[in-house]
Amino acid sequence: GQNIDQPTEMTATEGAIVQINCTYQTSGFNGLFWYQQHAGEAPTFLSYNVLDGLEEKGRFSSFLSRSKGYSYLLLKELQMKDSASYLCAVRNYGQNFVFGPGTRLSVLP
Amino acid sequence: KAGVTQTPRYLIKTRGQQVTLSCSPISGHRSVSWYQQTPGQGLQFLFEYFSETQRNKGNFPGRFSGRQFSNSRSEMNVSTLELGDSALYLCASSLEGPSGELFFGEGSRLTVL
Repeated sequence: GQNIDQPTEMTATEGAIVQINCTYQTSGFNGLFWYQQHAGEAPTFLSYNVLDGLEEKGRFSSFLSRSKGYSYLLLKELQMKDSASYLCAVRNYGQNFVFGPGTRLSVLP
Repeated sequence: KAGVTQTPRYLIKTRGQQVTLSCSPISGHRSVSWYQQTPGQGLQFLFEYFSETQRNKGNFPGRFSGRQFSNSRSEMNVSTLELGDSALYLCASSLEGPSGELFFGEGSRLTVL
């Protein structure tokens, strides 16, 4: 079967650092993606990991451990505009994506 | 470069009716996939098309169908609408290759009364 878990909601303070975790069990693995979705808008691509380790892109970093079926998205220097849902998705060998339920992040002043 | 375009953006139907949604991918993208998004279930994969062929299909009933044209534009159809079909339907296109991320359209919000 295929299953992806993420925390439902998280709250953090402006300027802080937050880590959003994602665990997955899929029938095949061909990359892990993170997307950001603001309320009422389409998801937009944030990061991609296919090998173990950390990928850094500005204030956003994503980590992958394939042996543990685990990834996290790290957001630094939080801004109010980072309030959004963050979706973890695994691309399997069939090329389609399986999405997690999403984590709704609220950034407070 | 134009993004993924979905039409219509909003529509209201009644139970038993059918609906057709349209998606124009980013130029050069041959893979088009469809997702249903609801507050309770998140993003659920419907199907994926590549070069006019359905390459993958999710766990949705046969009332949900789709197709892709030679210009990569895609349509999805839902027949005999049910209240539970009310959702945001998102279309995404991508380039081939494992690192090809999805580019999403704004979605078509369907309300079934």
